[in-house]
Amino acid sequence: GEDVEQSLFLSVREGDSSVINCTYTDSSSTYLYWYKQEPGAGLQLLTYIFSNMDMKQDQRLTVLLNKKDKHLSLRIADTQTGDSAIYFCAESEGYQKVTFGTGTKLQVIP
Amino acid sequence: SQTIHQWPATLVQPVGSPLSLECTVEGTSNPNLYWYRQAAGRGLQLLFYSVGIGQISSEVPQNLSASRPQDRQFILSSKKLLLSDSGFYLCAWSVGGPGETQYFGPGTRLLVL
Repeated sequence: GEDVEQSLFLSVREGDSSVINCTYTDSSSTYLYWYKQEPGAGLQLLTYIFSNMDMKQDQRLTVLLNKKDKHLSLRIADTQTGDSAIYFCAESEGYQKVTFGTGTKLQVIP
Repeated sequence: SQTIHQWPATLVQPVGSPLSLECTVEGTSNPNLYWYRQAAGRGLQLLFYSVGIGQISSEVPQNLSASRPQDRQFILSSKKLLLSDSGFYLCAWSVGGPGETQYFGPGTRLLVL
C-alpha cells in the first residue's frame, strides 16, 4: 500500500530557513500536498504540487519534488515563531483517498 | 464560501459508553466527506469516506461506524468506546477540486477514560 514518511521533529532559529522532508512510495501519485496543523486546530492546506512539476513557489514557501527519488520537501524562508506547527506531507492519485505522513513538528526558537 | 463544522470540540467519555461526533458542511453540494483519526504521536489515519448519502467506505476495521444521513452531514459513532479510541478526530470534505484537495474541520478531541 501507499506509505508516506517524514522525520518527526525539526528545530530552527527564527529568521533561518526551515526544510521539511518527505518520502513516498506510490509511483502513481499525481498530487502532493503540504498541510499545516497549529496546536489544537484542524489541518490547513498550505500548498500542493502536481507530479509533473519540479518546483512551486508561493511567497515564503518553496516546494521541491524529485519524482525519481519520490522525495518532496517544503522550504520556509525567514521562519517565524508563528510557523511553529506540525506539517503533514500527503499524496493522492487524484481519486478520493489521500495518504498522509506522520507529520513533522517544527519548533521555531526566538 | 464553504465552511465545515465539527462538534463537540472536546469530549471526555468513559470506556464502554457510546459516541456520536457530528460534522456538517455548508456552501457546497454533494461533497466527498471523510473521517480521520490522529492518535497521540502518530499521523493521520483515514477511517471512513463517503461519496454520497448512505454511501460509506471503511478503511480500517474497528468498533467505529459512520453514517451520512444527509448530503452535508457526516456522523461518526460507536456503541462502546475503547481506551484506544482516544485521539483527535478530523472531518474533511472535497468536491472535485485539484487532486481532490481536502479541507478540514477544527477537529474533536476525544479522551476515553
